[in-house]
Amino acid sequence: EVQLVESGGGLVKPGGSLRLSCAASGFTFSNTYMNWVRQAPGRGLEWVGHIKSKADGETTDYAAPVKGRFTISRDDSKNMLYLQMNSLKSEDTAVYYCLSSFDFWGQGTLVTVSS
Amino acid sequence: SYELTQPPSVSVSPGQTARISCSGDALPKRYAYWYQQKSGQAPVLVIYEDNKRPSGIPERFSGSSSGTMATLTISGAQVEDEADYYCYSTDSSDDQRVFGGGTKLTVL
Repeated sequence: EVQLVESGGGLVKPGGSLRLSCAASGFTFSNTYMNWVRQAPGRGLEWVGHIKSKADGETTDYAAPVKGRFTISRDDSKNMLYLQMNSLKSEDTAVYYCLSSFDFWGQGTLVTVSS
Repeated sequence: SYELTQPPSVSVSPGQTARISCSGDALPKRYAYWYQQKSGQAPVLVIYEDNKRPSGIPERFSGSSSGTMATLTISGAQVEDEADYYCYSTDSSDDQRVFGGGTKLTVL
């Protein structure tokens, strides 16, 4: 059974940093492109970025609103995906999901940016 | 930046056919994916690669794509199909992924 479990969300002040984690199991993580997706309260889904597999260079791409502030990384030895978020803004407040390729989602972790 | 456009809402009576459209310039070359999200829950994949249905998804869910338009069809919609539906695809360079704005389906 595929499982994706996010953690690390919480309350952070504007300008602060936070690191989210996603623990994966039930599939071959190392071969899978992994995404972060967010959903602001009452809003639609927004793709944040992705990281390709090691075989494809572990390259990353980001959505314009987070480029230069967020960094996605992975540790295939631990089946872990990470999202380092810096210079956080109030508009980054959202539930953050990890998404394996296009198919399986975690339950999400809430990030609130507020003073 | 690349965009996918969906109608904000669609409403049908139980048993009727619901169609939700998604338009995007790169869709002739890129697959469309569809997700169902019920209130307070994580999204669930209902259609992948334009028209394939994951195991466990009812047969009443189908997908198609022609030109710059992808369509999710729910034949004989049920009350339990009430949800937000999102299309998902990539831009022509395959670097950026994007979601449509979402369509609220009402079945009553």
